[in-house]
Amino acid sequence: GAGVSQSPSNKVTEKGKDVELRCDPISGHTALYWYRQSLGQGLEFLIYFQGNSAPDKSGLPSDRFSAERTGGSVSTLTIQRTQQEDSAVYLCASSLGRYQTGGANVLTFGAGSRLTVL
Amino acid sequence: GDSVTQMEGPVTLSEEAFLTINCTYTATGYPSLFWYVQYPGEGLQLLLKATKADDKGSNKGFEATYRKETTSFHLEKGSVQVSDSAVYFCALHSGAGSYQLTFGKGTKLSVIP
Repeated sequence: GAGVSQSPSNKVTEKGKDVELRCDPISGHTALYWYRQSLGQGLEFLIYFQGNSAPDKSGLPSDRFSAERTGGSVSTLTIQRTQQEDSAVYLCASSLGRYQTGGANVLTFGAGSRLTVL
Repeated sequence: GDSVTQMEGPVTLSEEAFLTINCTYTATGYPSLFWYVQYPGEGLQLLLKATKADDKGSNKGFEATYRKETTSFHLEKGSVQVSDSAVYFCALHSGAGSYQLTFGKGTKLSVIP
């Protein structure tokens, strides 16, 4: 598509429920990233996918968080047994990643999914 | 590890004032440096970038120069407009291993008429 699409844009859930957040990257972008934006905390890296390589999961804060990317395109971030501290905006981005030539790896971000855990 | 430190906000300026948002970094090797901007209700978008020492990135009247000796990438604009009100993020990519970007905490800018 023309841009990075994320859904839902807003999600309110009860503590202890599972949530799924979806990201549809730009067509042709092989790299996909999830970041978390919390008030006053900036952007926190969660996970990175590059093509068919094993993802870099080094930023996932706990084993309640997981993500998958099917067919090298759409990605789903799943948070199990949500806690109030999970409330944040979850941002997805895509890029050419390691196939970027002639300069820096530029990320294109979606508008984000705002998660509120009551 | 890699890190980015940028001045804390919020910053409030009158229209046509001069803007500086400081950004310093710690990184291995020779990182690429970025400024991203997030307008209200929108996702982050690239404002400008620089890939090597002494490079100057520029866009929409904003400029930032990659200073290796001071490990800095300060954002400047000579005359801000109300439409520049947004959150500005400094970021780096170290170029080693993973292709993630490391971001600063963001600086909120409000420009008043």
